[in-house]
Amino acid sequence: DGGITQSPKYLFRKEGQNVTLSCEQNLNHDAMYWYRQDPGQGLRLIYYSQIVNDFQKGDIAEGYSVSREKKESFPLTVTSAQKNPTAFYLCASSIPTGLYSYNEQFFGPGTRLTVL
Amino acid sequence: AQTVTQSQPEMSVQEAETVTLSCTYDTSESNYYLFWYKQPPSRQMILVIRQEAYKQQNATENRFSVNFQKAAKSFSLKISDSQLGDTAMYFCAFMTTNFGNEKLTFGTGTRLTIIP
Repeated sequence: DGGITQSPKYLFRKEGQNVTLSCEQNLNHDAMYWYRQDPGQGLRLIYYSQIVNDFQKGDIAEGYSVSREKKESFPLTVTSAQKNPTAFYLCASSIPTGLYSYNEQFFGPGTRLTVL
Repeated sequence: AQTVTQSQPEMSVQEAETVTLSCTYDTSESNYYLFWYKQPPSRQMILVIRQEAYKQQNATENRFSVNFQKAAKSFSLKISDSQLGDTAMYFCAFMTTNFGNEKLTFGTGTRLTIIP
């Protein structure tokens, strides 16, 4: 089955530690995204990548880093510089849109990160 | 920058009744897409319906329909014959059509509860 997988489902981290969240897709999508979800704030974009070896900052990139070495993988690292990392993290992928065309963003099941 | 506002944090309705969720947005773009996403307790994001701004006809998907008022920048979701499985968080979202900038901007969500 084609889809997006995120691992682990639950992740615990001690303060001051970096942690990497995995996102893999086998949909052959070029574009991938990372969103953060907090209660009462909806989803906010952290980073996105339109193509391999290229990525752009989203609205809340501070304290996060990404890489895009392979088309199917877009890992997110939450660094110790992120002051409030406890949140639900969602990964998505799509075929990039064009003028007057649209391609749906498909979401993974998410990772719940808790800082102890 | 685009903003999306959902002014109803919570709503509840009896099963089989009709409910309307409100969404307003602000943008200077003339071409864009609008979406309603559903997030059930599993937290999986599911696309419910989408609307292209250049289309005057309101989108419809089975029991779900939208009222798109471009001049008023309003995009409400109507759920007819509501079912228990409709219980979820509902997010309104906006996307520009600028290639290379396909970011989703989400509202803060409406928690909908269908009462048996």
